[in-house]
Amino acid sequence: SYVLTQPPSVSVAPGQTARMTCGGDNIGGDSVHWYQQKPGQAPVLVVADDSGRPSGIPERISGSSSGNTATLSITEVAAGDEADYFCQVWDTSRDHVVFGGGTKLTVL
Amino acid sequence: QVQLVESGGGVVQPGRSLRLSCAASGFTFSSYVMHWVRQAPGKGLEWVAVISYDGSKKYYADSVKGRVTISRDNSKNTLSLQMSSLRAEDTAVYYCARGSVVVTAMQDSWGQGTLVTVSS
Repeated sequence: SYVLTQPPSVSVAPGQTARMTCGGDNIGGDSVHWYQQKPGQAPVLVVADDSGRPSGIPERISGSSSGNTATLSITEVAAGDEADYFCQVWDTSRDHVVFGGGTKLTVL
Repeated sequence: QVQLVESGGGVVQPGRSLRLSCAASGFTFSSYVMHWVRQAPGKGLEWVAVISYDGSKKYYADSVKGRVTISRDNSKNTLSLQMSSLRAEDTAVYYCARGSVVVTAMQDSWGQGTLVTVSS
């Protein structure tokens, strides 16, 4: 089955750029979506189709994807960005949604 | 605005059944794919099932296939998840989420979830 690999945690100082990766076999050929989930809240879609930003998502948040890695970047990180971030694709070979294990972003 | 409200969660004994519902409003429900996604306590997101806009296509995660049925009533703007033979590992918050207009991943709106606890 298709597996998406995310680092369990990423730490960054305020004002810096956070980059969170999502590894998968030829993930660059898939549409990758990213979700932000804060404690006690439902997930929120922050990047759709590799790099699209849904309405209301700040330009500080962006996505890219190539080869075997997709990346979610957040510039000018602030305490309010602390959350779990999950990547996701559609596995066309099995008609399944696949989530990565999630990355916890900590702002130092 | 899009609103999704789940209900039906609770404490249930192993082996028993439970039916979850999701009331949708603020959009044309019959035009959208709908998903169920769950999250065990302290764990990540796990996709459960998806249903096409008209109910003609349904896909399930391997972990629930054969024990779970997803359905929808477009006349009532309601999504359902019938779960049977429940196990301890089914304990999770279950989210209803709106998908796209075709069956793919991506959920652009989520409910607040309903907690299912499987315990004797």
